[in-house]
Amino acid sequence: NAGVMQNPRHLVRRRGQEARLRCSPMKGHSHVYWYRQLPEEGLKFMVYLQKENIIDESGMPKERFSAEFPKEGPSILRIQQVVRGDSAAYFCASSPPPTLWSYTDTQYFGPGTRLTVL
Amino acid sequence: GESVGLHLPTLSVQEGDNSIINCAYSNSASDYFIWYKQESGKGPQFIIDIRSNMDKRQGQRVTVLLNKTVKHLSLQIAATQPGDSAVYFCAAISGTYKYIFGTGTRLKVLA
Repeated sequence: NAGVMQNPRHLVRRRGQEARLRCSPMKGHSHVYWYRQLPEEGLKFMVYLQKENIIDESGMPKERFSAEFPKEGPSILRIQQVVRGDSAAYFCASSPPPTLWSYTDTQYFGPGTRLTVL
Repeated sequence: GESVGLHLPTLSVQEGDNSIINCAYSNSASDYFIWYKQESGKGPQFIIDIRSNMDKRQGQRVTVLLNKTVKHLSLQIAATQPGDSAVYFCAAISGTYKYIFGTGTRLKVLA
């Protein structure tokens, strides 16, 4: 069972360009979460998605950032008109849907995409 | 607001000794806790978890202790090895998906 896949692993963009980060969850997982991590800091929640639905985007900036998880294909985190402050590691995690005996499921993380904005 | 903090940013331990990493959380509604290990350039890796109805859980060489009274969590690593060198995060969860991560503790294993 392959783990959470993210690509690209490293992404360099110039200010004003668009960054597109992809995440394929673990097999059988229908819940995807995106986090941002600045150097020497913990992970900060950005957005929680299920297939074709955004459940919670309270941690995502209102402007320039968007996320989707289509019926087919990976989840995409899109950052438009990137600025230097967007430079960070972006991690995706996935979890299975809750079951009758477990309403809270462990999130498993991908290797991350390291975005550098020049 | 909610916070999860760690008492020591860096912990240096002699190889073979036991390591203890501490974590405090602020939300008394947190009912699920996870320790993750993050090696340089990699994503967080699940180590061990504990639910609020327990106060201790053991894995292979690792033990997590939970003290809900003082909202404190610890990770004990027995016979620390060089491969244990990493940053360790605790996460406190309330509800189904709200993970609040601490800043992290860097564990350095000295040969």
